[in-house]
Amino acid sequence: GENVEQHPSTLSVQEGDSAVIKCTYSDSASNYFPWYKQELGKRPQLIIDIRSNVGEKKDQRIAVTLNKTAKHFSLHITETQPEDSAVYFCASGNTGKLIFGQGTTLQVKP
Amino acid sequence: NAGVTQTPKFQVLKTGQSMTLQCAQDMNHEYMSWYRQDPGMGLRLIHYSVGAGITDQGEVPNGYNVSRSTTEDFPLRLLSAAPSQTSVYFCASSYSGLGTSYNSPLHFGNGTRLTVT
Repeated sequence: GENVEQHPSTLSVQEGDSAVIKCTYSDSASNYFPWYKQELGKRPQLIIDIRSNVGEKKDQRIAVTLNKTAKHFSLHITETQPEDSAVYFCASGNTGKLIFGQGTTLQVKP
Repeated sequence: NAGVTQTPKFQVLKTGQSMTLQCAQDMNHEYMSWYRQDPGMGLRLIHYSVGAGITDQGEVPNGYNVSRSTTEDFPLRLLSAAPSQTSVYFCASSYSGLGTSYNSPLHFGNGTRLTVT
């Protein structure tokens, strides 16, 4: 079946450094790749998404890159801040059916 | 709009009991889905629906039933609860975007924390 692998499972950075989280997916039919942020006890919230016909998308300090040939996509957070500390999930699929990665716990140290 | 509403927020069941987790959305979204979240496992898709009367299995469907009689509601039924079903359950909905280049993001409910003893 469809599978999404996410790495690393935990990531610790100093405030101001960059953080990169990588995901690979197995379903060639996937055309939608969102990233979600989840704070403790809260529901996941969308932070950025990308479609399969786009290679890169940026929104302020957050960017996502997609390589459909290699079936991998990455989240880049620059100038990290303590409030970026949370669990981040990648997902792939099509609208209506998304498969999520296992999550990355990001800790930003002041 | 209330968005996606899940009830109850917390539930404790004994092994073998049955119950229904409720999910309703008021955004007229075609797509709805149920996920369970366990530590270290991410969000795993249980069942999903692309419209009223249409449902399909996700990654971990065993032990769960769903139906979609209306666009607004997508209840999740546990027929005979087991300790392995202890988890946080999230319902989500999205617009289909069919015929457009728009991919609608998933809108999540606040979750139901279920404990089976």
